[in-house]
Amino acid sequence: QQKVQQSPESLIVPEGAMTSLNCTFSDSASQYFAWYRQHSGKAPKALMSIFSNGEKEEGRFTIHLNKASLHFSLHIRDSQPSDSALYLCAVNTGNYKYVFGAGTRLKVIA
Amino acid sequence: EAAVTQSPRNKVAVTGGKVTLSCNQTNNHNNMYWYRQDTGHGLRLIHYSYGAGSTEKGDIPDGYKASRPSQENFSLILELATPSQTSVYFCASGEQENYAEQFFGPGTRLTVL
Repeated sequence: QQKVQQSPESLIVPEGAMTSLNCTFSDSASQYFAWYRQHSGKAPKALMSIFSNGEKEEGRFTIHLNKASLHFSLHIRDSQPSDSALYLCAVNTGNYKYVFGAGTRLKVIA
Repeated sequence: EAAVTQSPRNKVAVTGGKVTLSCNQTNNHNNMYWYRQDTGHGLRLIHYSYGAGSTEKGDIPDGYKASRPSQENFSLILELATPSQTSVYFCASGEQENYAEQFFGPGTRLTVL
């Protein structure tokens, strides 16, 4: 069964810093990799996704994927207090089902 | 944008009682999902559906049933609620594509006493 693990569990960074969040998965056949963001008391919402090895950038956010090392990451440039949230990584193996990590709680302090 | 609503938003139930959580989506998505979220576990899949009349077991289905009477509605049923089922429950919907984004409802906070 697919196992998805995130690190660190929590993170506090100053405003303007670069934030890096990590996700590892166990099934090498995994095909879809995504990050969801959940503000306190709210629903998770999709942030970014990637299908192939390499990186993808959208604004201040960048995803890196390395399938060989079973690892992908999310990097937030110029972190803002509004980025404070729970970040969930999600992995799909092609059967409409998603396995989510336990999350990284990010706090950005002004 | 996808619209997924859940009811009730908060529920207090007694041990052994029956609880029904409801979910409605207005985007004509084929797939719908029920998750529970607990600290340290993230989102765990309970049941999901590919369309009206279909339900499938997720990763943690024990103690839960699901019902998909129509494209728009998907219910989660706890026949005999237990305190271990105290959690926040999220419904989600998505297109029937392997890489489709999931759209989540606002969640239902369930407390079983």
